[in-house]
Amino acid sequence: DVKVTQSSRYLVKRTGEKVFLECVQDMDHENMFWYRQDPGLGLRLIYFSYDVKMKEKGDIPEGYSVSREKKERFSLILESASTNQTSMYLCASSFYGIPNYGYTFGSGTRLTVV
Amino acid sequence: QKEVEQNSGPLSVPEGAIASLNCTYSDRGSQSFFWYRQYSGKSPELIMFIYSNGDKEDGRFTAQLNKASQYVSLLIRDSQPSDSATYLCAVNIGRRRETSGSRLTFGEGTQLTVNP
Repeated sequence: DVKVTQSSRYLVKRTGEKVFLECVQDMDHENMFWYRQDPGLGLRLIYFSYDVKMKEKGDIPEGYSVSREKKERFSLILESASTNQTSMYLCASSFYGIPNYGYTFGSGTRLTVV
Repeated sequence: QKEVEQNSGPLSVPEGAIASLNCTYSDRGSQSFFWYRQYSGKSPELIMFIYSNGDKEDGRFTAQLNKASQYVSLLIRDSQPSDSATYLCAVNIGRRRETSGSRLTFGEGTQLTVNP
């Protein structure tokens, strides 16, 4: 069964900590994405990557960075966690191009920054 | 104007009825359209995609696309309590500068409740 795996389901971090969220996919997808989801705001794209070592900013990249050293792994980094980064973080992957048959999502990481 | 808009809901239907979920999008260049279902506390899962005008049926689900009206809908026939979830419409917005060509823009979702 193909899947996107996020390393943690729940995470609690302190303000100012550097936080790493890991995502691994086994579908040989070119594209990988990081979203956050908040009530009333829907899914908002933070960063995405269409190839190893390539990245593009999404709609809300401030306070985040990403790393993609291998095709199957895409990491989201919160350089200095703040309480307004408390959210559900969703990783997704897809094939390159159109049509792309949609995203496959990971199970999500619920991050709480205290 | 939002790029992808869904009827805000919540939508409540009795068991066995048809649930109709609607979505409009702003960019005429959009080419791919998706419906995701998201149960509370879970991640979205893909249930339908459609690329061509007209209807596409899969079991109890029918996706309808009208590119001239920039409108896509999802019909759920014989609704069951297990269909209670938030339904997200997603669109491949065509006019963005996209190196991948496959970024999706999501609506905010419509919460559906099917009452036994």
